[in-house]
Amino acid sequence: GNSVTQMEGPVTLSEEAFLTINCTYTATGYPSLFWYVQYPGEGLQLLLKATKADDKGSNKGFEATYRKETTSFHLEKGSVQVSDSAVYFCALSESAAGNKLTFGGGTRVLVKP
Amino acid sequence: EAQVTQNPRYLITVTGKKLTVTCSQNMNHEYMSWYRQDPGLGLRQIYYSMNVEVTDKGDVPEGYKVSRKEKRNFPLILESPSPNQTSLYFCASSLGALNTEAFFGQGTRLTVV
Repeated sequence: GNSVTQMEGPVTLSEEAFLTINCTYTATGYPSLFWYVQYPGEGLQLLLKATKADDKGSNKGFEATYRKETTSFHLEKGSVQVSDSAVYFCALSESAAGNKLTFGGGTRVLVKP
Repeated sequence: EAQVTQNPRYLITVTGKKLTVTCSQNMNHEYMSWYRQDPGLGLRQIYYSMNVEVTDKGDVPEGYKVSRKEKRNFPLILESPSPNQTSLYFCASSLGALNTEAFFGQGTRLTVV
């Protein structure tokens, strides 16, 4: 079956540091890939997505590129802010029988001033 | 404002006492689903619905029931809750087409003692 593996946290950074969160996936077909973010006490929000190989998703300074050859979708941001402190989830969607999302375990990011 | 509303936000109950968590969306989405979030496991799908009166099991359906009598509502029912159902629950909705964004509620933290 499908699965998503992402690096465990917590990841602690100083403001303006570079952030990378690794994500790799296993899928039987050609999935779409997503990054969702969960701020404290809230539900998940879509951060960015990519629907085919070599696509780059970007939003709020975050970027991730769909790499089919390495089955990866790593999240990056060049200069983090305290407000980026959250839990980040990598996910994939493949089933045409329903928009099921398969999630990774989540990575908690803490940005210190 | 487009939103998914869950109630209650917090619930403590005793083993075996039936409970219902409500979920409502105002975006006319066809697809709705329930997830549970547990540390290190990410979100796992419990049940989903592709439209009114159409529901199906997700990855972890045991101990749960759902119904979809109206398009906007998708309640989650625990007929006889047990302590292993202590978790954070999220309802989500989307247009239903593959690759579309899922919108999440704020979550219901359930404790079964």
